[in-house]
Amino acid sequence: DVKVTQSSRYLVKRTGEKVFLECVQDMDHENMFWYRQDPGLGLRLIYFSYDVKMKEKGDIPEGYSVSREKKERFSLILESASTNQTSMYLCASSSRSGTARPTDTQYFGPGTRLTVL
Amino acid sequence: LAKTTQPISMDSYEGQEVNITCSHNNIATNDYITWYQQFPSQGPRFIIQGYKTKVTNEVASLFIPADRKSSTLSLPRVSLSDTAVYYCLIEGGGNKLTFGTGTQLKVEL
Repeated sequence: DVKVTQSSRYLVKRTGEKVFLECVQDMDHENMFWYRQDPGLGLRLIYFSYDVKMKEKGDIPEGYSVSREKKERFSLILESASTNQTSMYLCASSSRSGTARPTDTQYFGPGTRLTVL
Repeated sequence: LAKTTQPISMDSYEGQEVNITCSHNNIATNDYITWYQQFPSQGPRFIIQGYKTKVTNEVASLFIPADRKSSTLSLPRVSLSDTAVYYCLIEGGGNKLTFGTGTQLKVEL
């Protein structure tokens, strides 16, 4: 089974702190994603990476950055956390699609619930 | 990017068929439609994907009309364990991913 793990299930930080959320996948997937999930808004893509050291902005990249130094690890960084970044953060990975499908099935981690005080 | 609309919630009883519709009026020619299921305290998991007409697997069917401006996830004979949030996703590849706001399905005895 594909396993995607996230470093913390719950995290509480203070405004202005630098926050690192870590995600690791064990299936040698090329693609990795970071989403945030908020009530009434569903999942929104923050950043996407299709290879080591490669990244693309999603719908809501403002206030976030990412790092992918190794294939299995994708980090989300909040340079200066703010209260409006309180949310559930979900990481996902997928293989590179070798068919007409634009994206192969995504496998999600359990999520990190971040609270910024 | 495509925008999606789903009902906020639906209620059903065990053994019934449930149909959840997602509207995506500005879907692009090359976009695919995918549905995910999410239980509390877990990440979403893949249910089914399609491009046009009908797709069926062991757990669900996906109906997509010719104009592709909507899609319907059909769950046959639901059980209590199908209580979850269901998301439609319009996939255009890479960072072109638009999830719906989700439909909370509640199944009762």
